[in-house]
Amino acid sequence: GAGVSQSPSNKVTEKGKDVELRCDPISGHTALYWYRQSLGQGLEFLIYFQGNSAPDKSGLPSDRFSAERTGGSVSTLTIQRTQQEDSAVYLCASSSYTSGQETQYFGPGTRLLVL
Amino acid sequence: GNSVTQMEGPVTLSEEAFLTINCTYTATGYPSLFWYVQYPGEGLQLLLKATKADDKGSNKGFEATYRKETTSFHLEKGSVQVSDSAVYFCALSAAFGNEKLTFGTGTRLTIIP
Repeated sequence: GAGVSQSPSNKVTEKGKDVELRCDPISGHTALYWYRQSLGQGLEFLIYFQGNSAPDKSGLPSDRFSAERTGGSVSTLTIQRTQQEDSAVYLCASSSYTSGQETQYFGPGTRLLVL
Repeated sequence: GNSVTQMEGPVTLSEEAFLTINCTYTATGYPSLFWYVQYPGEGLQLLLKATKADDKGSNKGFEATYRKETTSFHLEKGSVQVSDSAVYFCALSAAFGNEKLTFGTGTRLTIIP
């Protein structure tokens, strides 16, 4: 079946602009995660959605970052007033979370460059 | 908090050499442990995992054993191939509930013919 998809694959923006990144998880997966991969910080967790529970936002680096998940499926990560340090690859992952410890399947990522 | 310490790279080996990439962790309780791999130009994919002490994860000739006594999950392969060239990430997730992954810094492996 289809894997996790993300769009756009690449995004170039100017400092101060807002950007939206989209994630389509694997159908039926109730858990969705956003991570960021950057040269300076490695792979770091941003936010986690599980079903109808309140999301875990503990990894968001500042209040310029927000995310939502509509209808328990598609998720959008929004970065407001982008800064150059936001340049990174943003990865989305999903899992089925049926019995705990489920494998997370990653999308190809969105490469964001802030000029 | 949870953390993963991974062998610094880059690592360069000749084809058919033995590979070890060290990984140790700090966590409360009994986390699950993972190795993810990122091949050039591709996304992150699970290589193997172990969910409890003494479990051995294996895939594509790679193995790693969950050692609670040494808090380690070292990745090994007996005979590497050029196609194994990639970046390898060790990771853990909490025992239950939020399963967010905590990653190591990654080890770039290059295999030369």
